[in-house]
Amino acid sequence: GQNIDQPTEMTATEGAIVQINCTYQTSGFNGLFWYQQHAGEAPTFLSYNVLDGLEEKGRFSSFLSRSKGYSYLLLKELQMKDSASYLCAVRDEGYGQNFVFGPGTRLSVLP
Amino acid sequence: GAVVSQHPSRVICKSGTSVKIECRSLDFQATTMFWYRQFPKQSLMLMATSNEGSKATYEQGVEKDKFLINHASLTLSTLTVTSAHPEDSSFYICSARGPRDYTEAFFGQGTRLTVV
Repeated sequence: GQNIDQPTEMTATEGAIVQINCTYQTSGFNGLFWYQQHAGEAPTFLSYNVLDGLEEKGRFSSFLSRSKGYSYLLLKELQMKDSASYLCAVRDEGYGQNFVFGPGTRLSVLP
Repeated sequence: GAVVSQHPSRVICKSGTSVKIECRSLDFQATTMFWYRQFPKQSLMLMATSNEGSKATYEQGVEKDKFLINHASLTLSTLTVTSAHPEDSSFYICSARGPRDYTEAFFGQGTRLTVV
């Protein structure tokens, strides 16, 4: 089966650092992705991990531990515009290689 | 980057009518596209995988006769919601695997369907 867990909601202060965790149990694995989605809009790609370790991209970093089925997205120097839902997704290694999405974490950045 | 265009962005239809949603890859060929459904404050739920030139693969619980998917070319997939009911009201999003140099999926803008 496919199971991806994330916290439902998080709140942080502008300028702070926040870590959004994701745990997964999937039948196949061909990469873990983080997407940002503002209300009523399509998701936009943030980061991708396929090997263990940390990937850094500007204010955003993502970490993966395949043995633990665990990832996190780290957002630094939070800005008000970072208020959005953050979706953790695992790409299946099977035919079609579709993406299985977690429930998403709604992040509210407060002034 | 790779661009996926989805049309229409919003549609309101009467119960019992059918609605077609188009998903186009503008600057690359997409042999596989995915259709998702998203209810308010919930995540994306995969409905089906659309394969160019062959039948779509539907997820368990998704009625293939109600949600017709056609992937007639390498750049276009359509989702037709037939005999729509108010409970079909939702946000529908398509995505496509990017071209060879890209690992991520690219999403269309989404379609807000309201059935009245």
